[in-house]
Amino acid sequence: DGGITQSPKYLFRKEGQNVTLSCEQNLNHDAMYWYRQDPGQGLRLIYYSQIVNDFQKGDIAEGYSVSREKKESFPLTVTSAQKNPTAFYLCASSTRGQGNQPQHFGDGTRLSIL
Amino acid sequence: GQQVMQIPQYQHVQEGEDFTTYCNSSTTLSNIQWYKQRPGGHPVFLIQLVKSGEVKKQKRLTFQFGEAKKNSSLHITATQTTDVGTYFCAGPARYGGATNKLIFGTGTLLAVQP
Repeated sequence: DGGITQSPKYLFRKEGQNVTLSCEQNLNHDAMYWYRQDPGQGLRLIYYSQIVNDFQKGDIAEGYSVSREKKESFPLTVTSAQKNPTAFYLCASSTRGQGNQPQHFGDGTRLSIL
Repeated sequence: GQQVMQIPQYQHVQEGEDFTTYCNSSTTLSNIQWYKQRPGGHPVFLIQLVKSGEVKKQKRLTFQFGEAKKNSSLHITATQTTDVGTYFCAGPARYGGATNKLIFGTGTLLAVQP
């Protein structure tokens, strides 16, 4: 089945630690996105990539980093510089990086501070 | 900056009652998309509206795009417990004419009491 796989489902981070969230898609989509969702809130864009080896900052990129070395993969690293990382992280993809394309979401990763 | 607001933030209804959520953009949109997120789940694409004044139906759900293409609504007739979740609208962000990402609305959480 085609889809987006995020792992792990739950992740705990210690103070001062970097953690990496995985996102893999087999939909052959060009564009991929990372969102952060806080309880009872909407989706805020962290980073997005329209094509392999290219990515742009979203609205809340500080304390996060990404890479797009393969079309299928768009991992997100939450660095120690992100002081309030506890949130639900959602990865999404779309056929092309255009605002008229529906986005398909993974099941998300819940990150908490230990 | 560009904003997409939704009202109400939260609505509680008795099963069988109707429900409407409204979406308002600070800028004209080329299209509007609607997503549903079940509690603990991820957003799922429902529909896209493109034309001014467009109305689309999916069973008990009716979606409308305003004439000025700055607002939209989602109406659910005779709610069921399966309708529980948060409904988001989303429209393309415009930067110098490029529309390469979505701006999600603030969302409306629907609770349905059996």
